[in-house]
Amino acid sequence: GAVVSQHPSRVICKSGTSVKIECRSLDFQATTMFWYRQFPKKSLMLMATSNEGSKATYEQGVEKDKFLINHASLTLSTLTVTSAHPEDSSFYICSAILTAEGNYGYTFGSGTRLTVV
Amino acid sequence: AQSVTQPDIHITVSEGASLELRCNYSYGATPYLFWYVQSPGQGLQLLLKYFSGDTLVQGIKGFEAEFKRSQSSFNLRKPSVHWSDAAEYFCAVNQAGTALIFGKGTTLSVSS
Repeated sequence: GAVVSQHPSRVICKSGTSVKIECRSLDFQATTMFWYRQFPKKSLMLMATSNEGSKATYEQGVEKDKFLINHASLTLSTLTVTSAHPEDSSFYICSAILTAEGNYGYTFGSGTRLTVV
Repeated sequence: AQSVTQPDIHITVSEGASLELRCNYSYGATPYLFWYVQSPGQGLQLLLKYFSGDTLVQGIKGFEAEFKRSQSSFNLRKPSVHWSDAAEYFCAVNQAGTALIFGKGTTLSVSS
């Protein structure tokens, strides 16, 4: 089945540094990817929608200069948390739309646990 | 605005008992409806989805859900719960091509 590979699964970084999270679609082309953030015991909050070859669309309240999203190819989307602070610690999940062979749905990466110390 | 409500934050069910998790949505048009399950620290796994047709949808792991347009609901059910079903359950809605909107989730605990 269609798989989105998300890396790293866990990362600890120092405050003020930047962290890059990658999501790769392994056996399909992901024209559109979504990035979510999940706080402990909370729902998934949509951060942005990234479309291959164009600028990402950010949800209201999400700082686009802090959360840089790049979708340079049909198989790779990245989220870079710049100048990370402890309040950016969270669980980040990417998702891609599946439309192959009439099987519409979504596939999710396994998530990245970011801890900023 | 589109929204999804899962009224129950936490439910405890005895192993072998039946389960129903509630989901209500507010959407301008007929949405696509999904149920996902998430184990601690893990990603999301699709249980089932509804786009159109038969309003009773069968999913994986013995789960089913029924779409009731008149009640704007899409409740998830399972006739007999197993200890391995303990997890976080999310209802989600959208329209084709757009991002999923998630409910706040229901934590399911299974007692022996």
